[in-house]
Amino acid sequence: SQQGEEDPQALSIQEGENATMNCSYKTSINNLQWYRQNSGRGLVHLILIRSNEREKHSGRLRVTLDTSKKSSSLLITASRAADTASYFCATVGDNDMRFGAGTRLTVKP
Amino acid sequence: DTAVSQTPKYLVTQMGNDKSIKCEQNLGHDTMYWYKQDSKKFLKIMFSYNNKELIINETVPNRFSPKSPDKAHLNLHINSLELGDSAVYFCASEGNEKLFFGSGTQLSVL
Repeated sequence: SQQGEEDPQALSIQEGENATMNCSYKTSINNLQWYRQNSGRGLVHLILIRSNEREKHSGRLRVTLDTSKKSSSLLITASRAADTASYFCATVGDNDMRFGAGTRLTVKP
Repeated sequence: DTAVSQTPKYLVTQMGNDKSIKCEQNLGHDTMYWYKQDSKKFLKIMFSYNNKELIINETVPNRFSPKSPDKAHLNLHINSLELGDSAVYFCASEGNEKLFFGSGTQLSVL
């Protein structure tokens, strides 16, 4: 069964704007990760946030985690056309890693 | 050097046929996975192997059989292919708490 659910399903913005994607999940987790998938390619790991962390940064990426609400958000600042891709959250429990259906981000030049 | 490689990239076949997808990783990881991504982009875990031993076997038809000859390889064999098997199949290996994905095999069953 799927674990995370991303919201929105699709997002279209102009270059330079910020993009925010959300992920909600249902069960307890050890950590939560975000991945990116370019069209026709495999997923690539972006960032990991542990269950005892609330916020993490990596370059233009900012991830938050609220375990009380079972939700996470991914913020991409100063977006570029090259950020166009699908973004997935993955929840990690004791035995496996489960993904949502992703948010399709389009950044228009 | 590709870290996780899977072949073939595209697979077009008729219903009822048997086919295999191969996966190899050169990262030295102990755990490997097979995921299925459907047309709506849902990515669903199918199998997980740790050092050649099956540790996760989701509710997948027994027409799907993973084979791990050694910890660097996890192949997926599918018997009696059905139309609903059409999807993109991804192999991945796990290291340092992250997954490293292959580029996918697009399976089309006609």
